[in-house]
Parts: sequence; structure tokens; C-alpha cells
Amino acid sequence: AQTVTQSQPEMSVQEAETVTLSCTYDTSESDYYLFWYKQPPSRQMILVIRQEAYKQQNATENRFSVNFQKAAKSFSLKISDSQLGDAAMYFCAYRSGWGAQKLVFGQGTRLTINP
Amino acid sequence: NAGVTQTPKFRILKIGQSMTLQCTQDMNHNYMYWYRQDPGMGLKLIYYSVGAGITDKGEVPNGYNVSRSTTEDFPLRLELAAPSQTSVYFCASSSGQGGYEQYFGPGTRLTVT
Repeated sequence: AQTVTQSQPEMSVQEAETVTLSCTYDTSESDYYLFWYKQPPSRQMILVIRQEAYKQQNATENRFSVNFQKAAKSFSLKISDSQLGDAAMYFCAYRSGWGAQKLVFGQGTRLTINP
Repeated sequence: NAGVTQTPKFRILKIGQSMTLQCTQDMNHNYMYWYRQDPGMGLKLIYYSVGAGITDKGEVPNGYNVSRSTTEDFPLRLELAAPSQTSVYFCASSSGQGGYEQYFGPGTRLTVT
């Protein structure tokens, strides 16, 4: 079974600075997708960024980018120019490329932005 | 476009009571999912469905049941509620194709006392 591990329960960063959240995963599959979800206090799950395993290029969405190291099974999220609205729980998630495409989540990292 | 809707938003149950959490999506998605999120933890899959009439167990199915009679609706039934079922429940749906994302509902906070 696939597993996802986020080793940083909490992180904090000064507003406008850059922060990196870590995620490692374990799988024997070659076809899969990786995601970062943001969960603000409203509880809504918001997709931040996705990465296809077959793509070597790291995904980027505005201030959010990933460092995808396939051989190391590592998938970190970098947030540049941190804003107060980035404060939330962040979850790393894995999804197989076949079958019912169920998401496997990590334990989450609580990100605090200091003004 | 409402997306994924869940009712109720909050509920308090007594031990041994039963209830149904409702989930509806208006995106014509074939794939639907139920997750639970315990305090300070990530989401865990309870049940999922790949189409009307087809359901299967996820990682933590004990104490729950589901049905999928239509594409739009995927209710989750709790029988004989226990304190261990205190959690936030999320319903999600997906088109099931390629890298398309799962769309999540706003969640139901359930407390069993």
C-alpha cells in the first residue's frame, strides 16, 4: 500500500519570505500523481498544485512550486513571497494513475505566517 | 454551479444512534468518495464509488455503509454511532480521468457523545 509522510507538523515563516514544506511517499507504481492541498480554518480542501509522475518538469502555480525528486520519492512544496492568507494546514497526497484513483494523504503541516 | 454539497454541516449524536450524511454533486462525475478527518490528522478514505450501483471499501470502512443509486448522490450511513466516529467527514467527486482533481464538499463535523 502507498504511504505519504509529512515530517513537519508545524512550520512558520515571516510574511514575504519563502518556506518549503516536505513530503515523502512510498510506492512501487510508476504511474501516479502527487498533490498539495490547502485547508484553511474554513475546513474547505483547496487544490494548490499537482504533479504527474511521468513529467520531469516541476509544476508551478504562481507563488507555489514543487521540487519533485522521483528517485528519492520526495515532493516538497515551496511557497514564495508568503502572504497572511497562506496560513493553513497543508496536505500532501498521492493518487495512483489507475483504478479508482483514491487519494492517500499525509498527516499535514500547519503553516503560520508571521506579520 | 454548486459543485459538491453536504448536509448537515454539524451534528451531535448520542452513542448508539444512527444517521445519514448526505452528499450531492452536480458535475456529472462518476467517481465519488467519503473521507474522514480526525483532529490534527490527514484524511482517510472510508468508501468510494466508481459509478451508480458500484461501491467499495476504503481504508476505514467499519461502522459505515454507503449506497449509490444515482450519479449525483452518495449518502454515508452511520449505524450505532460510537465516540470513535467523532470526526469531520468530507465527500468528494472526480471525473476519474487522468490527473483531474477531486472536488471536495465543505465537510460535516460530527460529534458522538
